[in-house]
Amino acid sequence: DIQMTQSPSSLSASVGDRVTITCRASRDISRYLNWFQQKPGEAPKLLIYTASNLQTGVPSRFSGSGSGTDFTLTVSSLQPEDFATYYCQQSYSTLWTFGQGTKVEIK
Amino acid sequence: QITLKESGPTVVKPTQTLTLTCTLSGVSLSTSGVGVGWIRQPPVKALEWLAVIYWDDDKNYSPSLESRLTITKDTSKNQVVLTMTNMDPMDTATYYCALRRVPHPFDYWGQGTLVTVSS
Repeated sequence: DIQMTQSPSSLSASVGDRVTITCRASRDISRYLNWFQQKPGEAPKLLIYTASNLQTGVPSRFSGSGSGTDFTLTVSSLQPEDFATYYCQQSYSTLWTFGQGTKVEIK
Repeated sequence: QITLKESGPTVVKPTQTLTLTCTLSGVSLSTSGVGVGWIRQPPVKALEWLAVIYWDDDKNYSPSLESRLTITKDTSKNQVVLTMTNMDPMDTATYYCALRRVPHPFDYWGQGTLVTVSS
């Protein structure tokens, strides 16, 4: 299995802050890395696919970068609706795996 | 409009077999590139990918659960069925089905169904 490790596991931030979440794969996954957002009681929502492609309808304040084993999700200016848990997921292998999640809370 | 809906029991007893159904609308399971997967999430824990089946009947399973899982599809009903044998309280979770259209990842998700394993 390819293991995905996110950091931090949680963070506190204020509206307007720039926030960065990192995801590390246990081996090279090229750019096959996706980011999801999940709010309490809701299904996950795809934000970014293949490392840096913004899903249709997702605000441009979200961006992704990276390749190989190290990836980042950045929110340029955090909005109230962005407080949620974020998951990375690799789709390089046919056996997909998720990171453990990063909870973004209000400071 | 593409929608997915999970259905199945809300409570199962330990050692029983769980059968969950995902019903799709707005997209056909026989369309080239379509895949439907199952993902679960124990209460207050992370997402865990379980299995996926594709339009051509190709299937993949999580190695840690492969011996307990079977995924099948019924193209005539546009449904995907997941069975999980020998259920344990540790399998208590919300179970989601999700759609991918190759090469994209899961971009449509069902609302999820909470399954509790308890005697």
